[in-house]
Amino acid sequence: AQSVTQLDSHVSVSEGTPVLLRCNYSSSYSPSLFWYVQHPNKGLQLLLKYTSAATLVKGINGFEAEFKKSETSFHLTKPSAHMSDAAEYFCVVSFGSYIPTFGRGTSLIVHP
Amino acid sequence: DSGVTQTPKHLITATGQRVTLRCSPRSGDLSVYWYQQSLDQGLQFLIQYYNGEERAKGNILERFSAQQFPDLHSELNLSSLELGDSALYFCASSALGETYNEQFFGPGTRLTVL
Repeated sequence: AQSVTQLDSHVSVSEGTPVLLRCNYSSSYSPSLFWYVQHPNKGLQLLLKYTSAATLVKGINGFEAEFKKSETSFHLTKPSAHMSDAAEYFCVVSFGSYIPTFGRGTSLIVHP
Repeated sequence: DSGVTQTPKHLITATGQRVTLRCSPRSGDLSVYWYQQSLDQGLQFLIQYYNGEERAKGNILERFSAQQFPDLHSELNLSSLELGDSALYFCASSALGETYNEQFFGPGTRLTVL
């Protein structure tokens, strides 16, 4: 069985400050992990993915995430938030042919 | 633009009716996924097709059905619609059938049941 928990439903930051969106997962096997972003009234777009290569994964738009097996975490970070980063972010866990499990999402609010 | 197209963009209908949502995957992608997104349930996986065959089933109601055609486009049929079926329905595609592959999402169809 697999599950994913996004620890914050909302995160509020000021423009130019760091972003941290937290995700913990549970999987019986080594999972594949993804972060997707959804801007208002848009479909989801892949930010980055981890598939058992390097534990620090770099994605688009300056985002990165670190896979920590001991902590079963895959937190998403960005050094400096931009207004255009305001969106909904989804952490996803998947293994083999199991259907992907989506977190409930974290809404990132960026203040000027 | 992900390359995945969905029609219609918006759909307003009444309870008890039946609707069909259409999805065209990215060129060359063999796998199509359907998701339902609502405020109370979040993003729920409904069903996956791979090269015309059903591959995986999630939280899909018996009133809902889907199929993937030889040209790889897919349709999601929703019947005996209820108010609670109002949601955003997304289609996604990936190159292969394994779920560790990146999925490309369409813009969604917003269904409103009155």
